[in-house]
Amino acid sequence: DQQVKQNSPSLSVQEGRISILNCDYTNSMFDYFLWYKKYPAEGPTFLISISSIKDKNEDGRFTVFLNKSAKHLSLHIVPSQPGDSAVYFCAAPGYNNNDMRFGAGTRLTVKP
Amino acid sequence: NAGVTQTPKFQVLKTGQSMTLQCAQDMNHNSMYWYRQDPGMGLRLIYYSASEGTTDKGEVPNGYNVSRLNKREFSLRLESAAPSQTSVYFCASSEARWGTNEKLFFGSGTQLSVL
Repeated sequence: DQQVKQNSPSLSVQEGRISILNCDYTNSMFDYFLWYKKYPAEGPTFLISISSIKDKNEDGRFTVFLNKSAKHLSLHIVPSQPGDSAVYFCAAPGYNNNDMRFGAGTRLTVKP
Repeated sequence: NAGVTQTPKFQVLKTGQSMTLQCAQDMNHNSMYWYRQDPGMGLRLIYYSASEGTTDKGEVPNGYNVSRLNKREFSLRLESAAPSQTSVYFCASSEARWGTNEKLFFGSGTQLSVL
């Protein structure tokens, strides 16, 4: 029962262009969403989050968009840099974080 | 500031062997978690501990046991390892105050292979 889905296992973009990573969810009770970034041989690290009362949250080159009616969120990285090459997970926490659900991840490769 | 520290980083077991994965955090967080990561499956919660002295099952608890030794330490035990438990294991912690959404801080992971 995958309540958080990332349907694109990989994405390749050119340095300087926009990267768009997508995430869909099935549980309309989710009210907070997070994106984590993971480099090889490291644990995931928090990147950006968004509350369901907003439809956009921006932090530097990273912007997350939320479309509640479509149960869809996306992470935009502009401009993309080679150091952004990593696996990106979207996640949604259950009550009190106790059952945070993660997507399968999207591997982003930014080519110089 | 070490954050979340996991040991060991790599382990190879034979089917039926037992082992304990250790995890410690130095951020004074209340909640701690054990996840496993498998290809195409994302991270799945095995067990969590919302506070010292409490533990609860997550999404995939079968074959595992946990101990919240104190506020800093949360260990994961495999009593009789099976090939299906070959995975990368991550420990995480969070402040997780009641009713708030707190981000998780992860350790660097343990790569476990069960032959």
